[in-house]
Parts: sequence; structure tokens; C-alpha cells
Amino acid sequence: DAKTTQPPSMDCAEGRAANLPCNHSTISGNEYVYWYRQIHSQGPQYIIHGLKNNETNEMASLIITEDRKSSTLILPHATLRDTAVYYCIVRVYSGGSNYKLTFGKGTLLTVNP
Amino acid sequence: GAGVSQSPSNKVTEKGKDVELRCDPISGHTALYWYRQRLGQGLEFLIYFQGNSAPDKSGLPSDRFSAERTGESVSTLTIQRTQQEDSAVYLCASSGAGGPSDTQYFGPGTRLTVL
Repeated sequence: DAKTTQPPSMDCAEGRAANLPCNHSTISGNEYVYWYRQIHSQGPQYIIHGLKNNETNEMASLIITEDRKSSTLILPHATLRDTAVYYCIVRVYSGGSNYKLTFGKGTLLTVNP
Repeated sequence: GAGVSQSPSNKVTEKGKDVELRCDPISGHTALYWYRQRLGQGLEFLIYFQGNSAPDKSGLPSDRFSAERTGESVSTLTIQRTQQEDSAVYLCASSGAGGPSDTQYFGPGTRLTVL
């Protein structure tokens, strides 16, 4: 079962920043927050992950609240190719060394020209 | 370097037939995962391999599903006596060690259609 809550859909204008929210109020202290995206008919693509500090890479920034109960993925300058379903995920311990990804339904981000 | 590859990309089969799906992980990755994604749904964990440890099979939906992995290389997911409800995209992912901060990289998936 997914431990995250995301809006089902969002729109963003091309060239603008896209801010995708995620609630994970039951996250445990050692669980990481991951973001993936899935463009239609492709496998999920890793974007970024974090534990408690804000993170930035060439694709996006991840802002995690101090209480870790929510986070925001920021795409600084959205392009049409960023149209995809974005998944906010926590790693769920499943025994041994297995920290499986538990996916919900994600947010469909549509970038409009 | 090469990413995770899966074959076939598409598979259409008749109800009751057996199918085998293949996954080639990223070279050097010791952890390998199989997931299933039904149309319009999120990913559903199926099975996890880590080195020579016993696999975590907790996500397999029935005994018709099984998977094998040879060492730290290729994995095959077998579905016996396929049913229409097995129609989905089957995704494979691999990662370095399988820990809580270890990034999983996904293949393109195999789209299975059971008629």
C-alpha cells in the first residue's frame, strides 16, 4: 500500500517552474523519499531522492519539510517533454536488505505550450 | 553504460499458456526487482533478488508466478497458465545493493496481453 498522497493531476506552462507536492505523514525516520516519473509507455525514470535535507541535481530539486511529513519536487523550467506521471515514493522495508518501492497513482503533470 | 534491458517488449498469449519474461540488469548490480503495472495503476512489487540470499517473494500474487536469477545476472519471470487478469506491463529494476538509499533503475518493461 502506498504511503504517500499526491494530487491526481496538475498543469504547468512551458518555461515555468512546476511544483509537485507530496504528503507522507507516516514516514519513518530511516525511510527515504524518492521521486520517479513515467512517460507514457516507458519504464519509470529516477529523478531524485532525499532523507531530510533538500537535494538538487541536474533534473530537479527536492524540498523536504523539517518534520518530513511532506515534500515538493521542483522542475525549475518545465518543457513539453516533462509531461509525465510523477510518483512520490517512500522506501518500505520488506525484510532482509529489501527496501522495495511502493508506488501510488502519482500526479499527471501536463506541460502546456 | 547500458541500462536495464527486458525482452520481449511485447507478448501476446492465449489464456492458459505459459510465458517467460527476461530481464538483464545493469552490470555489477546485485539487487534485482520485478514489478507489475496494470493499466492506469501504480507499480506493484512482485519479487526481489539480492546476491545469493533467498529471494523476497512476498509480492507474488499466486503460485502460478515464479522467478529465477542466475548469480548476479539475468532473471526470468515465469507465469504459468496465464489468465486475462495477468495482462499488464512487467517491469524489472536493478540497483547496487538494495539498501534504503540505493537507487533502482528500471527497464522499459514487457507488455503482456492475455487473450
